[in-house]
This record gives sequence, structure tokens and C-alpha cells, in this order.
Amino acid sequence: DIVLTQSPALAVSLGQRATISCKTNQNVDYYGNSYMHWYQQKPGQQPKLLIYLASNLASGIPARFSGRGSGTDFTLTIDPVEADDTATYYCQQSRNLPPTFGGGTKLELK
Amino acid sequence: EVQLVESGGGLVQPGRSLKFSCAASGFTFSDYAMAWVRQAPKKGLEWVATIIYDGSSTYYRDSVKGRFTISRDNAKSTLYLQMDSLRSEDTATYYCARHPLANWRQGYFDFWGPGTMVTVSS
Repeated sequence: DIVLTQSPALAVSLGQRATISCKTNQNVDYYGNSYMHWYQQKPGQQPKLLIYLASNLASGIPARFSGRGSGTDFTLTIDPVEADDTATYYCQQSRNLPPTFGGGTKLELK
Repeated sequence: EVQLVESGGGLVQPGRSLKFSCAASGFTFSDYAMAWVRQAPKKGLEWVATIIYDGSSTYYRDSVKGRFTISRDNAKSTLYLQMDSLRSEDTATYYCARHPLANWRQGYFDFWGPGTMVTVSS
């Protein structure tokens, strides 16, 4: 299985930029696409898709969220951070079965 | 508006069975692959199973193969998960999730239900 590694937590100030990283132990690129996706999960709620195929913004997601990367290194950026962005963020790969998730990064405000 | 609503979770003893469902609305259910994803208490997300649009192919994580069965009834726009030989490590919130395509390729989950809790304990 492909293993995804995320830092457990990140603290940023309101209005600043948050950069969340996700590293994989195998390349998740395939025929021009990077099969990396990002989700936001608030306490007691289901996950919500933010970014798909590394850099595509999901429907209804504000442009403050962006994703980039390829191969084995990916980042999710939130700029500027708002109070409502406090949540846990998960990366997920779908290059190979089984689809696997990172352990999650909990974003907190300073 | 896409809606996915799970039902049928609860407390079950180890070794017993449980089947729950996910009612879909707001989209043409038969056009999409569907999946179950679970989350143990205070833990991360874990994919469980996927079924393609017509039910002709299914995929499972190794730890549930032979014990869980994913199925769908396109006429009723409903997804199911039959869980047999349950273990304590199956305790989790189970989310119904939609894939963006008819098959599992691309493999992300664009809509999620609110989840149903399953507790396996004696």
C-alpha cells in the first residue's frame, strides 16, 4: 500500500498562510495526472473534498484553498487563513488500490 | 443537491453480522461508483470498499475481504454494506461516499454522507 505522511499539527495566525504537506512513499503520478486529493474534516462532521488531482479546486470551495505538487511531494495552501478553517486536513492517493489517506494535519489558530 | 444518508449502525457483538444502507438523492445514482470509508474513534480515514456504477465489480481492503460485502440497488438509489464476522477493530463511523465517475478510476470521493456509528463489543 502507498503510505502518505503528514505533520500532525500546524498553528497559524488569522490572515496568514498555512501550508500543509503530504509526502508519499511511491510516485502517484500516472499519464499526466497526479492522483492526490485533499479533504477538510471539522469535529463531528464528514470530510469535505477540497482539491482533486493535486491542483483542481472542488465545487464551492473558496479560492483561498490551493493545491500543488507532483510525484511524491504535495502541498495544500490556505491563504489567507480564516477562523472557520480550523479543522483536520487529510491527503489521499488514488494511484493504486487500496486508496490510502494520510494521518491528517490538525490546523489550529495561534 | 447531492445527499447521502446512512442508516442501520449500532452496537453488535463480536462475530455477529450487521447490514446498513445509504440512501442517495439529488443525482443519478446509477451513473456513479460508490464507496464506504470508515473512521475509528479519534483516528484517521480508512477506505473499506468500492462498487462500480452497475455493481459488476467490487473492491475491498484486505482486512475486510471475505467478511464484508458491498452492494447496490440502482432502482432504489441505495448502497449497502453487509458486515459479517465482526471484530472489535471494525468499530468506527462508516461513511457512504460517491466517486466522481462510473468506475473507481480517479478514485477520490466528491460527496460524503454524515456517517453511521458501528460499535463491536460484548
